[in-house]
Amino acid sequence: AQSVAQPEDQVNVAEGNPLTVKCTYSVSGNPYLFWYVQYPNRGLQFLLKYITGDNLVKGSYGFEAEFNKSQTSFHLKKPSALVSDSALYFCAVRVLNDYKLSFGAGTTVTVRA
Amino acid sequence: NAGVTQTPKFRVLKTGQSMTLLCAQDMNHEYMYWYRQDPGMGLRLIHYSVGEGTTAKGEVPDGYNVSRLKKQNFLLGLESAAPSQTSVYFCASSYQAGSYGYTFGSGTRLTVV
Repeated sequence: AQSVAQPEDQVNVAEGNPLTVKCTYSVSGNPYLFWYVQYPNRGLQFLLKYITGDNLVKGSYGFEAEFNKSQTSFHLKKPSALVSDSALYFCAVRVLNDYKLSFGAGTTVTVRA
Repeated sequence: NAGVTQTPKFRVLKTGQSMTLLCAQDMNHEYMYWYRQDPGMGLRLIHYSVGEGTTAKGEVPDGYNVSRLKKQNFLLGLESAAPSQTSVYFCASSYQAGSYGYTFGSGTRLTVV
């Protein structure tokens, strides 16, 4: 069975500093990896995904993520965080022919001014 | 472009009452899902559907029923609401399995008193 771990419940950074949200996964086969963001009282919004090819994936709002097969990780990064990046972030994984995404528990990001 | 629409957005029920949550998507997606989100527990899959006329149980199906009579609609029913069903409910849809991610609705906040 596939699974996703987000080892940090919370990440706190100062505005302008780099932001990293960690994600590791466990699957049988090649993974399709996703990041979603949830702002307060809103649904989840797609940020980016890795399917194949370049290990560095660029997404919305200046976010990027790096796929590392040997470490089974897909960490989300932003070079310079904004207060408006404060939200709940979910990592998710899927494999070919799988009916559903498996989500991590989520990481709350707080960016202080 | 509506995407995934959930109705209602808010509802308060008394214990024992019944209700139906409606999810509608206009993207011709095959797969549809109902999740509940509770603090500290991430997203938990209630039921899902891989096509019109099909439904299946997810991780936490007890106390809920679903129907997908039309491809674009996925209904979630609570026959006899309990306080433990107080939660935020999200509907999502996906074109297919594999590399396709989800599109989420904006959620329904349900309180059972």
